[in-house]
Amino acid sequence: DAMVIQNPRYQVTQFGKPVTLSCSQTLNHNVMYWYQQKSSQAPKLLFHYYDKDFNNEADTPDNFQSRRPNTSFCFLDIRSPGLGDAAMYLCATRGRGVAGANVLTFGAGSRLTVL
Amino acid sequence: GESVGLHLPTLSVQEGDNSIINCAYSNSASDYFIWYKQESGKGPQFIIDIRSNMDKRQGQRVTVLLNKTVKHLSLQIAATQPGDSAVYFCAETLMNTGNQFYFGTGTSLTVIP
Repeated sequence: DAMVIQNPRYQVTQFGKPVTLSCSQTLNHNVMYWYQQKSSQAPKLLFHYYDKDFNNEADTPDNFQSRRPNTSFCFLDIRSPGLGDAAMYLCATRGRGVAGANVLTFGAGSRLTVL
Repeated sequence: GESVGLHLPTLSVQEGDNSIINCAYSNSASDYFIWYKQESGKGPQFIIDIRSNMDKRQGQRVTVLLNKTVKHLSLQIAATQPGDSAVYFCAETLMNTGNQFYFGTGTSLTVIP
């Protein structure tokens, strides 16, 4: 059963038209992350929430915003998508593994195309 | 972020051979590391993790080695199978003081039947 669910899986938008990607989790994890992954590159951390506390990475453009209305849901808003924002957007949550370590659980991703 | 994404190096191995995938991490203070496998069109999946107080950890068919002196991780896959074909990433974090996980440059593994 999917534990981190991202919607939509595929999103096509026009240059400058706002987009919202959603992520929901059934794990009750208190940390949620958004990563951007461009083709053939590593996932790049945009920001994360620790409970309701928002933590932005220093190099995340202002064009990217996020909302977390409750523990289960987190949204990524791209206010004015440019061609360079075409990527896979990955949501992840953080929980504790068997050994007490911290493990990220990822969703399947939302692939954004900008025309 | 801590690491910069670059275009992926590639590794091709024959089915049944052992694979070794390497990763250089960037923050000498990082104390927890994870290897992820990412198949095409999917999110990364956890493979194995290691804390900085260890230099080796074994799982089923996989072994992770950590060399803190040179900030280097490796993932060894024994008896590589076609289903192992994927992109492999390492991630680093400071487990007790931070929540950020940063990914290193991945390696695309192709298993030749």
